[in-house]
Amino acid sequence: DTAVSQTPKYLVTQMGNDKSIKCEQNLGHDTMYWYKQDSKKFLKIMFSYNNKELIINETVPNRFSPKSPDKAHLNLHINSLELGDSAVYFCATGHPNYGYTFGSGTRLTVV
Amino acid sequence: SQQGEEDPQALSIQEGENATMNCSYKTSINNLQWYRQNSGRGLVHLILIRSNEREKHSGRLRVTLDTSKKSSSLLITASRAADTASYFCATDAGGSYIPTFGRGTSLIVHP
Repeated sequence: DTAVSQTPKYLVTQMGNDKSIKCEQNLGHDTMYWYKQDSKKFLKIMFSYNNKELIINETVPNRFSPKSPDKAHLNLHINSLELGDSAVYFCATGHPNYGYTFGSGTRLTVV
Repeated sequence: SQQGEEDPQALSIQEGENATMNCSYKTSINNLQWYRQNSGRGLVHLILIRSNEREKHSGRLRVTLDTSKKSSSLLITASRAADTASYFCATDAGGSYIPTFGRGTSLIVHP
């Protein structure tokens, strides 16, 4: 039973399309995160949600919209996809005193 | 903004040798964490060291923290080919509860 599961694992789509990535955690943590990892492996925080409420939105274009229906789920919807959105997106959850658990990532390729 | 910076960016060693990676950060922290990322996978939490600790061990891993220099090091002793991965440090930037990562150190262990 995967602690943090992301779907899909791979996503290839054309520019201008709208797509969603889903994330679910069964660890019972209140806080969930979305990270973007670029081709140079730099991990950049995008969003942080605490118990379904948005805590942080780090200069992310408003084409990206996170949705948290409950504290176990944090989905990422992306409108009007651009070439520069190609990256690996990671969902994570955890607590600062104990560490964080990451999903296996969604590799998004925009063509 | 980027909080942690790992050094070196890349490290290539022979099996059995020790590998040392360093992390420097900018602002005060509550704790510092190290993660491993195998190619094509998510990040895996390795070890957490609190700001009032100076050294911590876990198996073949040894982490040190020097808050006066705002730096940490990760030592992997008797490395194995399976240790080949990228290693990241993460800090919470002064209690923000947002784990912020550096660009990682890419470690290759040759059998």
